[in-house]
Amino acid sequence: KNEVEQSPQNLTAQEGEFITINCSYSVGISALHWLQQHPGGGIVSLFMLSSGKKKHGRLIATINIQEKHSSLHITASHPRDSAVYICAVRLWGRGNEKLTFGTGTRLTIIP
Amino acid sequence: KAGVTQTPRYLIKTRGQQVTLSCSPISGHRSVSWYQQTPGQGLQFLFEYFSETQRNKGNFPGRFSGRQFSNSRSEMNVSTLELGDSALYLCASSLDPGMNTGELFFGEGSRLTVL
Repeated sequence: KNEVEQSPQNLTAQEGEFITINCSYSVGISALHWLQQHPGGGIVSLFMLSSGKKKHGRLIATINIQEKHSSLHITASHPRDSAVYICAVRLWGRGNEKLTFGTGTRLTIIP
Repeated sequence: KAGVTQTPRYLIKTRGQQVTLSCSPISGHRSVSWYQQTPGQGLQFLFEYFSETQRNKGNFPGRFSGRQFSNSRSEMNVSTLELGDSALYLCASSLDPGMNTGELFFGEGSRLTVL
């Protein structure tokens, strides 16, 4: 079983819809990252969080440490939000704080 | 402020050769980490450097190595290339790996093809 699981793997929605992408992890972590990757390869960091909730424009990220779960929400989705969204966790432990990635959620927003 | 710069962007090698990839972090960032991305395995952590010291290492064979220089620039080397090493190699920099300063800034990547 992967240490980081994302769902769904693929998501297609109409422009304007509210989007939720989920990330569950099974290990102790010190931080969780949400990343966005557009076709062509470039990766952009959207959020880094260890507790609570963060908001940036139409994007909201939440994390529940007790339940080992995080969600990324996109409000009023737009075709330019079409990308692969990747959850990554920084493992907790001295000398073993490597970043472990989920397999990504491919989001397609249809105009 | 210049972003993370990776060179070369594209390269083609043959099996058995070796390759060196370079990463220049954002000015002031002291932490550099490297990742391999393939269609089959997704993103995988290679190693992380902070102030010239390797802090963490992923589960890759010893053919994969790296180093960081005093100006925080980093290089990674892959020796005795195999077909399976074909991938996009990404580097990311951060101020340091700590909680408040660990936001990652990625380069565009170096796409390696091994023939």
